[in-house]
Amino acid sequence: GIQVEQSPPDLILQEGANSTLRCNFSDSVNNLQWFHQNPWGQLINLFYIPSGTKQNGRLSATTVATERYSLLYISSSQTTDSGVYFCAVEPSGGSYIPTFGRGTSLIVHP
Amino acid sequence: EAGVAQSPRYKIIEKRQSVAFWCNPISGHATLYWYQQILGQGPKLLIQFQNNGVVDDSQLPKDRFSAERLKGVDSTLKIQPAKLEDSAVYLCASSRTGTGGNTIYFGEGSWLTVV
Repeated sequence: GIQVEQSPPDLILQEGANSTLRCNFSDSVNNLQWFHQNPWGQLINLFYIPSGTKQNGRLSATTVATERYSLLYISSSQTTDSGVYFCAVEPSGGSYIPTFGRGTSLIVHP
Repeated sequence: EAGVAQSPRYKIIEKRQSVAFWCNPISGHATLYWYQQILGQGPKLLIQFQNNGVVDDSQLPKDRFSAERLKGVDSTLKIQPAKLEDSAVYLCASSRTGTGGNTIYFGEGSWLTVV
């Protein structure tokens, strides 16, 4: 099946810093989503982004489908950004099974 | 619009006991997913339903796990008998269709501890 690799696995930031999270995938995809898992375990949709660039406030994401990677940018980080960030992909070619990476654990210190 | 509802939120059972989790997807969503998330790992798909039919259950340990989605709406995931390694969060999710290109929405999860 499709492989999804996220980097870095862990990230520690000071409040106000910027960061870039990366998601690499091994095959072509129909769908790619970024999620934030808060400390209570809830997975919150951030972006549905199979290709192109989107922005939502301090967050933005870019997916380059032809090169099989996606980037999530967090600017001016806040303590509430802490948690785990996952990307999930649905491979193309008929198997629409959403597959998650292992996530990037982010801690933002005040 | 109401989100994905799950219950119970927390459950502690002894090994070899049974447990059932319930999920009510977002209204109108044809596709329903059950994921297992072990601490420190990403969610792993257990089973995917399209309406009341199974799309994929290749990672469901069928000797002890079962799931059903009667009438294409609510779903129940059962574990019997439970093992220590089943301790995890069980996440239910739904999307409008399962044909790709749809946002997936998750419930708050059901935390299971097997002792």
